[in-house]
Amino acid sequence: EDKVVQSPLSLVVHEGDTVTLNCSYEVTNFRSLLWYKQEKKAPTFLFMLTSSGIEKKSGRLSSILDKKELSSILNITATQTGDSAIYLCAVFSGGSNYKLTFGKGTLLTVNP
Amino acid sequence: GAGVSQTPSNKVTEKGKYVELRCDPISGHTALYWYRQSLGQGPEFLIYFQGTGAADDSGLPNDRFFAVRPEGSVSTLKIQRTERGDSAVYLCASSRLGETQYFGPGTRLLVL
Repeated sequence: EDKVVQSPLSLVVHEGDTVTLNCSYEVTNFRSLLWYKQEKKAPTFLFMLTSSGIEKKSGRLSSILDKKELSSILNITATQTGDSAIYLCAVFSGGSNYKLTFGKGTLLTVNP
Repeated sequence: GAGVSQTPSNKVTEKGKYVELRCDPISGHTALYWYRQSLGQGPEFLIYFQGTGAADDSGLPNDRFFAVRPEGSVSTLKIQRTERGDSAVYLCASSRLGETQYFGPGTRLLVL
């Protein structure tokens, strides 16, 4: 059974800190790994990482895929209170290009 | 353009009642997905539509759950004889085939 494990489950930091969120996966026929940010209810897409695109960056956020270690990290530098959210990691499971298996998420709280 | 929309935002019902949850995908997205998210968990796959047909309904928990997409656009998730364990946030997503899934704001269902 495909599995995604995120750590830590929760994290509290101060504004300006840098954080690293972890995601490890066990999946049949890996295709890609996705990161989402969830505030309130709707997950918002951040990055998709594939074998041909193992590093992505957007502003203060960046992510790297380590296919050897079957893991990914999401880095956020100079955190702001608006970064407070649940960060979800997901992979396409069962060799499909449509069924996402999600981790439980990391709850990030950024205090002023 | 407009994102995925879902109605209602919140639904409170009594055990044993029937509910319908609606999803309006992004225009031009042929693929539509339903996920269910319980408290403290990541979203769990329920069903995937490609056009009008359910290409994979393996995530539906039992035969009380059913979903349709008659014209290949709007989809309705139907739950019969609701149980307290059905309480969760029901998320809909849409995409072009094999591409990033974009999520709606979800419907929070509470079964009393």
